[in-house]
Amino acid sequence: EDKVVQSPLSLVVHEGDTVTLNCSYEVTNFRSLLWYKQEKKAPTFLFMLTSSGIEKKSGRLSSILDKKELSSILNITATQTGDSAIYLCAVEQRPGGSRLTFGEGTQLTVNP
Amino acid sequence: DTGVSQDPRHKITKRGQNVTFRCDPISEHNRLYWYRQTLGQGPEFLTYFQNEAQLEKSRLLSDRFSAERPKGSFSTLEIQRTEQGDSAMYLCASSPWPGAYEQYFGPGTRLTVT
Repeated sequence: EDKVVQSPLSLVVHEGDTVTLNCSYEVTNFRSLLWYKQEKKAPTFLFMLTSSGIEKKSGRLSSILDKKELSSILNITATQTGDSAIYLCAVEQRPGGSRLTFGEGTQLTVNP
Repeated sequence: DTGVSQDPRHKITKRGQNVTFRCDPISEHNRLYWYRQTLGQGPEFLTYFQNEAQLEKSRLLSDRFSAERPKGSFSTLEIQRTEQGDSAMYLCASSPWPGAYEQYFGPGTRLTVT
């Protein structure tokens, strides 16, 4: 059965800290891994990763995929209170454009 | 607003009643997906469409659930004879196809079955 596991499940940090969120997966016919941010509403898209070892970056957020280790990390530097949210990892299978399998999410709380 | 929209945003119903939700995808997106999310869990796939064709249904989707996308634009998700276990957030997403396949989510419909 396809599985996506995120760790930690929750994390509390202070503003300015750097955090690393982890995602590991076991799926057949892997195509891509996606990260989403969810506040008190629908998930918003952050990154899609298809190639191993290539970092994607957007401001203070960055992510990289390791296909050998079947995992990905999401880094957030200089955290702000507005980064408080649930971060979801999802995996897509080939041929693409089909269902996503999500992990449970990591609840990040950034305190001032 | 050109994002995915869903209606209603909240629905409270009594057990045994039927409910229907609507999703309007981003206009140029021809794939549309339904997910369900309960508290503390990630979204769980229900079904998806390519234009009007339903391409996949989750085996978790009981026969009380039915989804349609009759003209390849908006979609409806109907739950018949609701049960308390159906209480959840129902999320709709859309993506272009072919393309990069990122799925963009709507605000969701929160269903409470009393």
